[in-house]
Amino acid sequence: GEDVEQSLFLSVREGDSSVINCTYTDSSSTYLYWYKQEPGAGLQLLTYIFSNMDMKQDQRLTVLLNKKDKHLSLRIADTQTGDSAIYFCADYNTDKLIFGTGTRLQVFP
Amino acid sequence: DTGVSQNPRHKITKRGQNVTFRCDPISEHNRLYWYRQTLGQGPEFLTYFQNEAQLEKSRLLSDRFSAERPKGSFSTLEIQRTEQGDSAMYLCASSSSLRAGAKDYGYTFGSGTRLTVV
Repeated sequence: GEDVEQSLFLSVREGDSSVINCTYTDSSSTYLYWYKQEPGAGLQLLTYIFSNMDMKQDQRLTVLLNKKDKHLSLRIADTQTGDSAIYFCADYNTDKLIFGTGTRLQVFP
Repeated sequence: DTGVSQNPRHKITKRGQNVTFRCDPISEHNRLYWYRQTLGQGPEFLTYFQNEAQLEKSRLLSDRFSAERPKGSFSTLEIQRTEQGDSAMYLCASSSSLRAGAKDYGYTFGSGTRLTVV
């Protein structure tokens, strides 16, 4: 079946940029998403990218897509303590989202 | 519209008991999804509905699990004869297939129901 993989942890200093990486196996992906999950909460849609795009910028968020390598990344500029959360990438496949295991981002002062 | 609502927020049950969770989606969304999330993992797809029709069920959904969406609005997920391995967060999400666009394919999630089987 389709698979989405992420590194488990990322730790950054407040004010620095964070880059969260994701790889996927589905060669027919149309849309790829990034979600944020804070403790005890559901998932919040952050941003998305269409598969024919290489980059999308949305305020502090930049999504890069390398379709050839099936690699997706999320860059958060000027990372704040409020950005501490788990970030999931997800691949839209046959009418449903397939999620990665999540990357826990810890921001320290 | 207040978003996707799930009840209860927490459920503790004894092994072997039956439990039922409810999800109220965003009213104009015709698709409703159930996912299960265990500690340290991403959400795993269980099943989804388009209107009242259940269109896909994961192999994770054993015979002890059943989901319904009788009028194409709210949905229930029932687990019979619960086992300790069923302990997880059960997430509901809704979306619309009626408008073309990536944002609309992205789900709106509820806060989840945390099930603990003791």
